[in-house]
Amino acid sequence: AQSVTQLGSHVSVSEGALVLLRCNYSSSVPPYLFWYVQYPNQGLQLLLKYTSAATLVKGINGFEAEFKKSETSFHLTKPSAHMSDAAEYFCAVSDPLPGGSQGNLIFGKGTKLSVKP
Amino acid sequence: DAGVIQSPRHEVTEMGQEVTLRCKPISGHDYLFWYRQTMMRGLELLIYFNNNVPIDDSGMPEDRFSAKMPNASFSTLKIQPSEPRDSAVYFCASSLSGHITDTQYFGPGTRLTVL
Repeated sequence: AQSVTQLGSHVSVSEGALVLLRCNYSSSVPPYLFWYVQYPNQGLQLLLKYTSAATLVKGINGFEAEFKKSETSFHLTKPSAHMSDAAEYFCAVSDPLPGGSQGNLIFGKGTKLSVKP
Repeated sequence: DAGVIQSPRHEVTEMGQEVTLRCKPISGHDYLFWYRQTMMRGLELLIYFNNNVPIDDSGMPEDRFSAKMPNASFSTLKIQPSEPRDSAVYFCASSLSGHITDTQYFGPGTRLTVL
């Protein structure tokens, strides 16, 4: 079964610094991977997704993630953090169902990003 | 589109009471999902529907939980009787199709507190 591990439940960076949020997955089949962001008191919003096309995926708000099969990783990065990036970030893998239809999303535990002025 | 709508946004109830959470998916979306978010277990899928039909309810914790989707624009998640350990944020999400790469759109969630 698929699973996702996010290293670090809390990450703190200074404004303007590099953001790196780590995600490792395990999957018995080629995975589809997602990053979602959750702002306080809001639902989850898709940042980006990997669907077996380009390994470097660009998302909204300047975020990107690189799929590395050899490392079973899908780390999320942003070159320069902004105060508005403070939120909780979830990595997820799509778990295919019998017949290959809609997969359940298996979420990691989340990483809370703080941005210091 | 207004996005996925959930009500109420906050619910406080006493142990033993019935709780009903409501969700309106994005118009035209064929799939609807109910998730629960807790500090201990993170985000868990409870049940999902395709064209109003429950497809997989293996994530529903126990018989106290039930979900219905009487039509394409409305779903409910009911807990009867509620217990303190049911306290969590419950999210509803919808997606356009059943493709494995399809984006799920989440509602703002209902924060349930059972005293």
